[in-house]
Amino acid sequence: AQSVTQLDSQVPVFEEAPVELRCNYSSSVSVYLFWYVQYPNQGLQLLLKYLSGSTLVKGINGFEAEFNKSQTSFHLRKPSVHISDTAEYFCAVRAPGGNQGGKLIFGQGTELSVKP
Amino acid sequence: DAGVTQSPTHLIKTRGQQVTLRCSPKSGHDTVSWYQQALGQGPQFIFQYYEEEERQRGNFPDRFSGHQFPNYSSELNVNALLLGDSALYLCASTRLAGNPEAFFGQGTRLTVV
Repeated sequence: AQSVTQLDSQVPVFEEAPVELRCNYSSSVSVYLFWYVQYPNQGLQLLLKYLSGSTLVKGINGFEAEFNKSQTSFHLRKPSVHISDTAEYFCAVRAPGGNQGGKLIFGQGTELSVKP
Repeated sequence: DAGVTQSPTHLIKTRGQQVTLRCSPKSGHDTVSWYQQALGQGPQFIFQYYEEEERQRGNFPDRFSGHQFPNYSSELNVNALLLGDSALYLCASTRLAGNPEAFFGQGTRLTVV
């Protein structure tokens, strides 16, 4: 079984400052890792994903994340945030293939609030 | 290319009633999963359908049931609604073989009063 812990429920930050949203996971098997963003009253939009290969992955809107297998972490970063980045961010894991394929396990979410 | 579409967008029901939510997957996708997102929480997996059969199920009671049609669209049915069933219900589609990325619909906001 897998689980996901997002270490911060709320992250306030000023515009143009850097931000890091932290995500740790637990799994007895290798996993795929995802970050999704959710704007108010919207569904989920994929920011980026780690499937294999390079541990640094780049996504949309200037976000990037680094997969650290030894620390079982997948932290999301952006060097300079904008007001429009204000949203809820979710880290998720999925076991590849087999009977667990397709089932996403989500963290509780981190509310990013960007202030002018 | 239409993405994942869900209907209706909002719904208000009374305790004890039954509700049906609908989802059309992204073109080319054959697998549909349903998630429940309570206010302030992350989405929780309800079940997944592939080839018109339920393939996986999360920790939800039998009041939650579903169906997948030959055109890959899906329905989520909830019987005997409880106040605690109030949530945003999200549908996600994927291709079982291929890119594991899940695409989500806008969700259906269900309010049980």
